[in-house]
Amino acid sequence: EDKVVQSPLSLVVHEGDTVTLNCSYEVTNFRSLLWYKQEKKAPTFLFMLTSSGIEKKSGRLSSILDKKELFSILNITATQTGDSAIYLCAVDSYGQNFVFGPGTRLSVLP
Amino acid sequence: DAGVIQSPRHEVTEMGQEVTLRCKPISGHDYLFWYRQTMMRGLELLIYFNNNVPIDDSGMPEDRFSAKMPNASFSTLKIQPSEPRDSAVYFCASSTRRYEQFFGPGTRLTVL
Repeated sequence: EDKVVQSPLSLVVHEGDTVTLNCSYEVTNFRSLLWYKQEKKAPTFLFMLTSSGIEKKSGRLSSILDKKELFSILNITATQTGDSAIYLCAVDSYGQNFVFGPGTRLSVLP
Repeated sequence: DAGVIQSPRHEVTEMGQEVTLRCKPISGHDYLFWYRQTMMRGLELLIYFNNNVPIDDSGMPEDRFSAKMPNASFSTLKIQPSEPRDSAVYFCASSTRRYEQFFGPGTRLTVL
């Protein structure tokens, strides 16, 4: 059965800190790995990764995929209180539905 | 653009009743997804459509759940009969590319 694991499940930091969120997966027929940010309501798309070693970057957020070791990391530098959210990792596979991890709840304190 | 529209935003019903959730995707999007989110199970994909055709419904929990997409601008998710364990937030999402999904605000369903 396809599986996505995220760590840590919860994280509290102070503004200005840098955080690294982890996502590991076990799936057959891997297609892509996705990162979403969920604040109070619906998830919003952040990144889609398909190739190992190629960093995707958007402002203070960046992500990279390692298809050999089956994991991805999401980095947030110079965190702000607005980064407080649940960060969801999902894996898309050929012939399978998207599988989401449990999420990492990030709290950024002023 | 109004984004993905879902209705109702909140629904409280009694066990055994039929529940219909509605979704209007973003115009021009040809993928539509239905998700369910609970504290225990997280976010789960129930079913998705491409060009109004159901592609994969393997996430639909059981026969009490059904989804339709009669045209490009409307979809429904129906639960009949509803049970307390169906209580969750149900999200609809749409996209032009399979992965960059735009989520609606969700419907919070409570089955008493």
